[in-house]
Amino acid sequence: DIQLTQSPSFLSASVGDRVTITCRASQDISNYLAWYQQKPGKAPKLLIYAASTLQSGVPSRFSGSGSGTEFTLTVTSLQPEDFATYYCQQLDRYPSLTFGGGTKVEIK
Amino acid sequence: EVQLVESGGGSVQPGGSLRLSCAASGFTFSNYNMNWVRQTPGKGLEWVSYITGSTNIIFYADSVKGRFTISRDNAENSLFLQMSSLGDEDTAVYYCVRAVGGTGRAFDVWGQGTLVTVSS
Repeated sequence: DIQLTQSPSFLSASVGDRVTITCRASQDISNYLAWYQQKPGKAPKLLIYAASTLQSGVPSRFSGSGSGTEFTLTVTSLQPEDFATYYCQQLDRYPSLTFGGGTKVEIK
Repeated sequence: EVQLVESGGGSVQPGGSLRLSCAASGFTFSNYNMNWVRQTPGKGLEWVSYITGSTNIIFYADSVKGRFTISRDNAENSLFLQMSSLGDEDTAVYYCVRAVGGTGRAFDVWGQGTLVTVSS
């Protein structure tokens, strides 16, 4: 199975900060990586797919990059509504679909 | 509005069975592959099962293979997950999730989730 390692697992930041989250895959997954945001008590929400394509309706302060085994999610200017947990997911092939362990972004 | 609404969760004893349902609306259900994903506080998000729009391809995670059965009724715009031989490790919130494929593959629409608790 392909393993995804997210770092950091916890991040404390202030409104307006630039935040970067890393996701490393245990093997090459091309650009078949998605990023999701989850708020407490809610379902995950798709932010980015194909490693760098912004989902419709998602603010442009979110961006993704990377290919192969290393990927990043960046929020250029953190807003109050961005405090949440972020997950990466690899979709290289079924049935081995996996999610990263999550990064919780909290207010400093 | 594109929507997925799960139902059927609840409390069940170890070894018991439960059937989850997911009602889809706002899109042509038969055109989309669908998944079940579960989430526990300890293990995070775990993909459970996948079914193509035409039902001819099905996959399961190793952790549920042989115990869970995914199915769909395109005429009723519904997705199902029959769960049997349930154990403590199956306690989770279960999400019904729409998949988009090809080069832009992702899980683009999620239901609100239904809680399954396995406990004696």
